[in-house]
Amino acid sequence: KQEVTQIPAALSVPEGENLVLNCSFTDSAIYNLQWFRQDPGKGLTSLLLIQSSQREQTSGRLNASLDKSSGRSTLYIAASQPGDSATYLCAVSPSGNTPLVFGKGTRLSVIA
Amino acid sequence: EAGVAQSPRYKIIEKRQSVAFWCNPISGHATLYWYQQILGQGPKLLIQFQNNGVVDDSQLPKDRFSAERLKGVDSTLKIQPAKLEDSAVYLCASSTGPTSRGYTFGSGTRLTVV
Repeated sequence: KQEVTQIPAALSVPEGENLVLNCSFTDSAIYNLQWFRQDPGKGLTSLLLIQSSQREQTSGRLNASLDKSSGRSTLYIAASQPGDSATYLCAVSPSGNTPLVFGKGTRLSVIA
Repeated sequence: EAGVAQSPRYKIIEKRQSVAFWCNPISGHATLYWYQQILGQGPKLLIQFQNNGVVDDSQLPKDRFSAERLKGVDSTLKIQPAKLEDSAVYLCASSTGPTSRGYTFGSGTRLTVV
């Protein structure tokens, strides 16, 4: 059974810092991995999608890497801003049409 | 393109009452999911539809939860009777299917059972 773990559970940083969020999964047979952002009381916004054949994806200040063999992904946020404060969720898909398996998320606070 | 629409946004009910949630996926998305997200946890799958057929409902508490997807488009999720532990955010998501480029989630319905 696939399990996804995210470390740390919560993180507080001053504005401007670069930071890394970690995600690990127990079964390396994945189709893709997706990072989401969730603001309090809101739904999920997709940030980055990495297919199993890819090593990384970038969007603006965000960079996500995938090491399928070791069951790890990292989300790198450069020059953090207070607007980045949210919960970040990592999810893996065992195949292209199967439900996502989520971690519990990392709650990020960026202090001005 | 329009996103995944869900309603209502919030609902407060007493235990043992019934409640229904509605989801309209992105046009053309064949696969629809309902997830339950309890506070402080990641979303957990309740049911997956492919067009109007159920693919996976193994984690749906069938004694109280039911879901349908009429004509392979809109979907409703019902809880009857509700329990206190059903308090959660109910998220609907859709995707194009096996060659999916990812999932799109709705804003969710926050249910509070008192």
